[in-house]
Amino acid sequence: SQQGEEDPQALSIQEGENATMNCSYKTSINNLQWYRQNSGRGLVHLILIRSNEREKHSGRLRVTLDTSKKSSSLLITASRAADTASYFCATPYTGGFKTIFGAGTRLFVKA
Amino acid sequence: DVKVTQSSRYLVKRTGEKVFLECVQDMDHENMFWYRQDPGLGLRLIYFSYDVKMKEKGDIPEGYSVSREKKERFSLILESASTNQTSMYLCASTHEGYNEQFFGPGTRLTVL
Repeated sequence: SQQGEEDPQALSIQEGENATMNCSYKTSINNLQWYRQNSGRGLVHLILIRSNEREKHSGRLRVTLDTSKKSSSLLITASRAADTASYFCATPYTGGFKTIFGAGTRLFVKA
Repeated sequence: DVKVTQSSRYLVKRTGEKVFLECVQDMDHENMFWYRQDPGLGLRLIYFSYDVKMKEKGDIPEGYSVSREKKERFSLILESASTNQTSMYLCASTHEGYNEQFFGPGTRLTVL
């Protein structure tokens, strides 16, 4: 299996609920990044958390990182229909010239 | 805002054709990348470039080549397109290695 695996593969929630996505990785990291992709579009960077950070916030996003467990989670609070998208975690390595992206979590927020 | 543009959103080509996909970024980024994205396989790195005229193979370079003659432009070339190269192609750039990547809108290529 690949580094940077998201869980669950798909998530369906009601508008206003919180959405939590998890990511596991295998090797040591410099940082871990989360991206969002709307259907048929490119990826958009959401947030970057460094290996010496445990938690980071950006608007309705909260990311945690547990390097001892090699895992990260992305929490979207008070979700909106516009949050419907795929979410990917990514871990750069080899001097940052290579980045492993997970297969993503597909989030569907029902209005 | 960083802008990464790709030459086409949708492209349909025939088997054996030579295909050029172009990517341009406007933020003077040193590093540029080409990925392909397929259902269930995530993003896979085809080639990357860390400077003008410099290129390195990614994880799946077979059947592809690249060109970087100017800092802002990174081209992906399919020398002889095959049906198994039908995919979404994404270009990205970044200033320094470990920073976040900025992606273009993607080119959905269909090879018939």
